[in-house]
Amino acid sequence: LAKTTQPISMDSYEGQEVNITCSHNNIATNDYITWYQQFPSQGPRFIIQGYKTKVTNEVASLFIPADRKSSTLSLPRVSLSDTAVYYCLVGDRTSGTYKYIFGTGTRLKVLA
Amino acid sequence: GAVVSQHPSWVICKSGTSVKIECRSLDFQATTMFWYRQFPKQSLMLMATSNEGSKATYEQGVEKDKFLINHASLTLSTLTVTSAHPEDSSFYICSALDTGTRGTGELFFGEGSRLTVL
Repeated sequence: LAKTTQPISMDSYEGQEVNITCSHNNIATNDYITWYQQFPSQGPRFIIQGYKTKVTNEVASLFIPADRKSSTLSLPRVSLSDTAVYYCLVGDRTSGTYKYIFGTGTRLKVLA
Repeated sequence: GAVVSQHPSWVICKSGTSVKIECRSLDFQATTMFWYRQFPKQSLMLMATSNEGSKATYEQGVEKDKFLINHASLTLSTLTVTSAHPEDSSFYICSALDTGTRGTGELFFGEGSRLTVL
């Protein structure tokens, strides 16, 4: 099972770009990388998913180097409402038997 | 809108009683669902993998007789906490894996169910 490692916490100020890096050294060929956001007392919410290079959507970008052993979630111009815990998950999205194991996550605090 | 729904969102029960939590995938069929529990300020811990039509696979250290999982249909999985005790108080979250028609392979999470055992 691919294990992920992230910084425990990060602080940022409103309007800044935040980059959160996740290490997944034993990622498998079929694994995709997915990032989730979780607010207190809520289930995780999908942010972005990618396999390689760069993926961008309306809320974030995901950068994945060629070796895929890490990935970086980029949140442009964060606001106070982006204060949350961010998790990266690695898994084979085509397999119904794959177990998605959460790491520690990164607790992001956005300051005014 | 939510594609995975949990019910109830919160429940308070007396010690010794059993509590059932439902997890439904609303617009896709989920052959596989996962149940997690989360304590305050901690990450989600996988409890078990629920497979439609077969027995659930429990993670090490999770009592299968304590946490009964039933996945009788492609859109519904239930978690029953039997003879609940205060230490079972936690936030329980289900997720469903969409490997079917939506084609995204995305893992959708429910809103969570907070169980408080008095």
